Parts: sequence; C-alpha cells; structure tokens
Amino acid sequence: NAGVTQTPKFRVLKTGQSMTLLCAQDMNHEYMYWYRQDPGMGLRLIHYSVGEGTTAKGEVPDGYNVSRLKKQNFLLGLESAAPSQTSVYFCASSFGQNQPQHFGDGTRLSIL
Amino acid sequence: EDQVTQSPEALRLQEGESSSLNCSYTVSGLRGLFWYRQDPGKGPEFLFTLYSAGEEKEKERLKATLTKKESFLHITAPKPEDSATYLCAVYDNAGNMLTFGGGTRLMVKP
Repeated sequence: NAGVTQTPKFRVLKTGQSMTLLCAQDMNHEYMYWYRQDPGMGLRLIHYSVGEGTTAKGEVPDGYNVSRLKKQNFLLGLESAAPSQTSVYFCASSFGQNQPQHFGDGTRLSIL
Repeated sequence: EDQVTQSPEALRLQEGESSSLNCSYTVSGLRGLFWYRQDPGKGPEFLFTLYSAGEEKEKERLKATLTKKESFLHITAPKPEDSATYLCAVYDNAGNMLTFGGGTRLMVKP
C-alpha cells in the first residue's frame, strides 16, 4: 500500500532554475495539498485541490504553481527558484473536507 | 485568523513516566482537531480526529481529549519508541485549510 508518494526525495537547485515536484496517491482521494515545513514556522499550506482540474491558493502561494490534471497526481512547480524556497515540501491527500490528511515523506529542496 | 499553540515545545521523559501534551486553539467554529506524529525525515502520520468537546480517543499508550479551548494528548507509561514530534491541527468552519501548531518534540529515555 503506497499511500502518498513524492518524487524526488532530495534536490539541489541554483537560484533561477525551475523544477516540478510530483505527488501521487493511490487512495482515490479527492483532495490533495502541498505544504512546506520550515524550522520555527511549522507546516504551512501552499496550494490545494478539491478535485481533478481544480486548484486553489493556500497560506503561502507566491512563487509556486500547481496542476491537477489527473485525480491521482498533484504537481508543484517552481518557475524561478529562490533561496527563500529552501524547505521540506510535503504532499498530502484526503477523502474530503474535514477529513484526516495522509502525508508523503517529503522532498528536501535546497536552493543555492 | 485561526491560531494553534502547542506546549511545551520539547519534553524529556524517562521511560514509564506519564505526561500530557497541550494544544490550545482559537478558531471560528471548530470542525475538527487532528493529532499527528512525525518522526525525523518522515511525513506526519495521522493519529486521531476529535470533533466535539468531551470526545476522547485512545490508541495504545496515547489518549486524546478535547475541550472547547484545548486538546490534550496523554501519554501513559511511554517507551523510547514514542519519541517523536507530535503535531496538532484544526479545521474551522471557513473551509479547506488545516492550521497546524508548532509541535511538541517528545524524547523518552530508557
């Protein structure tokens, strides 16, 4: 039972480079989320999706874009990476609103 | 704006020494309170959901309780494998965002 799988697990970028983080879930969940976790800041929501083809902004959306072309996948894009985006990124999914979210093991991203 | 505050930030216990972790919240209508466990290098693992004041949930050595202003995670006779960061989060009436607290790092020494 894979649950939520994030790719890649680690990545180092140079300032200005772009990349896409992939999240895949096999639980048939409608809702998917992207968070970042920073020391002293806790988990903060970047963007989320309430179903295939939908996306919405979370608490800290600037500098990121997302797409949900298939129900099982949720992509997080950084168009022009900045050092302030160095963080651990977590993807999560849930059946619906107000339901427990299930998390992947994160992508550790460093931007030099 | 929803606020979730967890205390203490860190807690050191001896194996077998029971204690409680606190999660205080301010929300515009609580729709649900969630407890997660996070091990180093891993994502948060779901433990409990509490929906209304007075509700309690138990799992092995853990028991979560909820009042109108706070939740407690009671740990009875902890073991070293209970060492982790415990996160509390809330949903409010407004919608889809889960607001997390800063977490309590629990260390249980043998």
